[in-house]
Amino acid sequence: GAGVSQSPSNKVTEKGKDVELRCDPISGHTALYWYRQRLGQGLEFLIYFQGNSAPDKSGLPSDRFSAERTGESVSTLTIQRTQQEDSAVYLCASSLTGSHSNQPQHFGDGTRLSIL
Amino acid sequence: SQKIEQNSEALNIQEGKTATLTCNYTNYSPAYLQWYRQDPGRGPVFLLLIRENEKEKRKERLKVTFDTTLKQSLFHITASQPADSATYLCALELTGGGNKLTFGTGTQLKVEL
Repeated sequence: GAGVSQSPSNKVTEKGKDVELRCDPISGHTALYWYRQRLGQGLEFLIYFQGNSAPDKSGLPSDRFSAERTGESVSTLTIQRTQQEDSAVYLCASSLTGSHSNQPQHFGDGTRLSIL
Repeated sequence: SQKIEQNSEALNIQEGKTATLTCNYTNYSPAYLQWYRQDPGRGPVFLLLIRENEKEKRKERLKVTFDTTLKQSLFHITASQPADSATYLCALELTGGGNKLTFGTGTQLKVEL
């Protein structure tokens, strides 16, 4: 498709389990971002990939969170040993480039994660 | 501390009127400010971007102003329609921030017939 695709759209899991969330960015977009949105709150930046540069991990809330990106395509966000406070919508976005500012970000519809 | 504040209360207006949403920030020096629309269960959709050296930007029925002295942006929707009902988010892109955005909590707009 033409937009950013995220899967699964919904994920329910038990506390302590690991989860993996997937993002397919728009083809040709070199920059990819992960954000977290808790209920009724704004988006929190998690991690940013730009081409082959080292990712900006400054927003990851703990070492239970990690992300990878294969080249300039798919990215996965992994949360290990999930906790109830990890419940949120995880949003992925891509932009044409992150090297030059003023690029709009194109978002997927997110993965709604619920930790029981 | 750094803050981005948007009206937390929902804004209800009548169809045809102009909606004005406010975004205030403290202790940031943004290079750019962006506005997004978010519908329930969907990801944000980009609307407008304004640079720190621009005062105003327009696109169709939308207008954004940016006052770096007041540390405020105003977002206007003229001739509002029920289809404009959504949550509107402002986001700052900081100088040297590598294009990552810092978002406000959003203002919910409801346009009534």
